[in-house]
Amino acid sequence: DTGVSQNPRHKITKRGQNVTFRCDPISEHNRLYWYRQTLGQGPEFLTYFQNEAQLDKSGLPSDRFSAERTGGSVSTLTIQRTQQEDSAVYLCASSLEGLLDNEQFFGPGTRLTVL
Amino acid sequence: KQEVTQIPAALSVPEGENLVLNCSFTDSAIYNLQWFRQDPGKGLTSLLLIQSSQREQTSGRLNASLDKSSGRSTLYIAASQPGDSATYLCAVSSNPGGGNKLTFGTGTQLKVEL
Repeated sequence: DTGVSQNPRHKITKRGQNVTFRCDPISEHNRLYWYRQTLGQGPEFLTYFQNEAQLDKSGLPSDRFSAERTGGSVSTLTIQRTQQEDSAVYLCASSLEGLLDNEQFFGPGTRLTVL
Repeated sequence: KQEVTQIPAALSVPEGENLVLNCSFTDSAIYNLQWFRQDPGKGLTSLLLIQSSQREQTSGRLNASLDKSSGRSTLYIAASQPGDSATYLCAVSSNPGGGNKLTFGTGTQLKVEL
């Protein structure tokens, strides 16, 4: 068990470009979450998967944001036509339903800077 | 909509002092509450998780309490050390549809000085 990993750790892009982030959850964790954190704030929920199914995407700020989890393990978060306000740290977390009351374990995050 | 507030926003204490961080939430229908630690430029480390039916949890020098009916939790740190310096985040989970998504406070930035 090596924990939740995310890559890249840092991404600098120009406004209007598309970006994709990857999350590798703890093996056997069937739940996966994406959160976004801006400076001085706590993380905010974006979307949630149980196995391959995206069960809640109520936190995605616009249709430019999408996520998928093919095969029920690795997940990707894609932002199309990036804007400056998308600059933030994108955090991924995973948990195992029924274990430790669904305690969530977080990765180190991907810091996105949109110029 | 659930809202989580943490007080104080920042705290500076001398080494060895006992301290209390506060967290309040507006909707008492929570599934559980987690306390996290975040070091600069790093992800979140889970410290303690309290189920909604529990009153407190302890881990080493840390003790977290939960009063669900009043919407409050406290994190008690005993005999603080410089290595405890970090931002501490409180998060509550709701369970609509079984997701247990977390709602976070803005954190308390702790500095423990030598």
